[in-house]
Amino acid sequence: GQNIDQPTEMTATEGAIVQINCTYQTSGFNGLFWYQQHAGEAPTFLSYNVLDGLEEKGRFSSFLSRSKGYSYLLLKELQMKDSASYLCAVEAGTALIFGKGTTLSVSS
Amino acid sequence: GAVVSQHPSWVICKSGTSVKIECRSLDFQATTMFWYRQFPKQSLMLMATSNEGSKATYEQGVEKDKFLINHASLTLSTLTVTSAHPEDSSFYICSARARDPGPSSYNEQFFGPGTRLTVL
Repeated sequence: GQNIDQPTEMTATEGAIVQINCTYQTSGFNGLFWYQQHAGEAPTFLSYNVLDGLEEKGRFSSFLSRSKGYSYLLLKELQMKDSASYLCAVEAGTALIFGKGTTLSVSS
Repeated sequence: GAVVSQHPSWVICKSGTSVKIECRSLDFQATTMFWYRQFPKQSLMLMATSNEGSKATYEQGVEKDKFLINHASLTLSTLTVTSAHPEDSSFYICSARARDPGPSSYNEQFFGPGTRLTVL
């Protein structure tokens, strides 16, 4: 079966660093995506990993270990506007399989 | 970046009626479009995958006779919810994959803004 796990909720303060973990078990793997979604809006692309290692893009970094079925999204210098849901998604075949999302609340 | 539009952005309908949702890729050709459904505080659940000119592939548990998908052109896919009921109330999101990945090393999906359906 397909299974993607991530924590349901996380809280952090402005300026801090937060790491959102994602573990997956899927039949097939063509890459792992992280998306940000604000309430009532469509997901927006944050990062993509297909090879092991760290991908850095500004305040956001994403890490992948294919052998462990594990990824994390690292958010630095948190801002209030980073309060959102963060979705981990694995591309298996042609479709994306989404985790349930992690709701991040950033407080001042 | 690539833009995907959906219409309408929200719709309210009576139980038993049918609702059509359009998904358009505005500045690229999409060989594949995906339809997702998202209930409150839940993640996106893939309903079906549609390829231009062929029948859609539905995920397990999704009734193909209730959720009619048409992908008539490389820029347009439609989802029709037939005989809608209150339990069909949800946020429906489409995404489109470009025919050619372009400079990206991956074949990114571009998401539409979503359609909020409320069935009374």
